[in-house]
Amino acid sequence: NAGVMQNPRHLVRRRGQEARLRCSPMKGHSHVYWYRQLPEEGLKFMVYLQKENIIDESGMPKERFSAEFPKEGPSILRIQQVVRGDSAAYFCASSPGAGNEQFFGPGTRLTVL
Amino acid sequence: EDQVTQSPEALRLQEGESSSLNCSYTVSGLRGLFWYRQDPGKGPEFLFTLYSAGEEKEKERLKATLTKKESFLHITAPKPEDSATYLCAVQAGTDSWGKFQFGAGTQVVVTP
Repeated sequence: NAGVMQNPRHLVRRRGQEARLRCSPMKGHSHVYWYRQLPEEGLKFMVYLQKENIIDESGMPKERFSAEFPKEGPSILRIQQVVRGDSAAYFCASSPGAGNEQFFGPGTRLTVL
Repeated sequence: EDQVTQSPEALRLQEGESSSLNCSYTVSGLRGLFWYRQDPGKGPEFLFTLYSAGEEKEKERLKATLTKKESFLHITAPKPEDSATYLCAVQAGTDSWGKFQFGAGTQVVVTP
């Protein structure tokens, strides 16, 4: 039973480019969450999605960041016009339902040059 | 404002030297408290969920307990493979069911 999968594991972008991070939840899980971890900081909640719906985006920056979880395919976290401050590890988690424990993927480490 | 505070920030233990990590929280209406361990370069690995004061969960050398204001993660007779950063997260009643608020973590190093 495969766990949460994220790709790419490492992503390098130049300032102004777009970054697309993908997350495939565990089998049977329909709830997906994205978190960001800056160096020497804790995990910060970004967004919570169910299939085709954004449930809570209270942690998402208002500009340049967007997320989706389509009916078919992985969840996507998209960062437009990246800046150096976007460099961080981005983790995706999934759960079978709301309020359950969340299972995390290995993360995508984004470096903005 | 909701807060989750973990202490100490770092802990260095000799193999076999038991200790406890603390996670104190001030949130409105705790729904659940979750413990994770995170190894360098990896995603957090789920350990325990606690829902109500007085609840305890145990797994191998780890035991988690919960009161109305804090949770403890006890590590009994640790081994070097217990070295990791331990994270606690809370789910508050004022937030959506999906939002976890994490503490900054306690970095544990166990030396042989």
